[in-house]
Amino acid sequence: DAMVIQNPRYQVTQFGKPVTLSCSQTLNHNVMYWYQQKSSQAPKLLFHYYDKDFNNEADTPDNFQSRRPNTSFCFLDIRSPGLGDAAMYLCATSRPQGENTEAFFGQGTRLTVV
Amino acid sequence: LAKTTQPISMDSYEGQEVNITCSHNNIATNDYITWYQQFPSQGPRFIIQGYKTKVTNEVASLFIPADRKSSTLSLPRVSLSDTAVYYCLVDRYNAGNMLTFGGGTRLMVKP
Repeated sequence: DAMVIQNPRYQVTQFGKPVTLSCSQTLNHNVMYWYQQKSSQAPKLLFHYYDKDFNNEADTPDNFQSRRPNTSFCFLDIRSPGLGDAAMYLCATSRPQGENTEAFFGQGTRLTVV
Repeated sequence: LAKTTQPISMDSYEGQEVNITCSHNNIATNDYITWYQQFPSQGPRFIIQGYKTKVTNEVASLFIPADRKSSTLSLPRVSLSDTAVYYCLVDRYNAGNMLTFGGGTRLMVKP
């Protein structure tokens, strides 16, 4: 029944070794978001897609990239993870923002960098 | 987008009504107000959304005064399972789908 699925739930990667986190949705939503959330902090928006249109937040480091090959899937690529990139990464989907629009979040992927 | 300000934390007891107020002084005509709940190690979950006056659903009520510069999330008769972080978001219609989170309020419900 899960509508936004993130894999894996836990990911351990080595310092500097590229890692990819995945997100899939069964809601057929146009918009997909990636967030980074560190301990005791609010989720921080990294980027989002409106269909295939990619929107990068101004302060998102170049180390973070994303791909959306189709409506259902979206990937977060961290090219050279540093210790500071250890966090929970959240994927969310929504219809285009408007009245009565809610976002649906996945369970997150907790990334550990060693 | 309007910046939001919420109390960092609140304590309550089981069975009490909890009101969490969010300030958004720079809210614009096209902005609407949404609240999310987040439990530890889970993604946020939509609670309620409104534009003006009062909105109620099976989980909560949202009160928005006429000037819309603040909003209050009301949780009736909280239980221990309502312990979570509550986020107030202000987003604009057709604004490129920003969905930006502010600081949130950490609610602790005690027995």
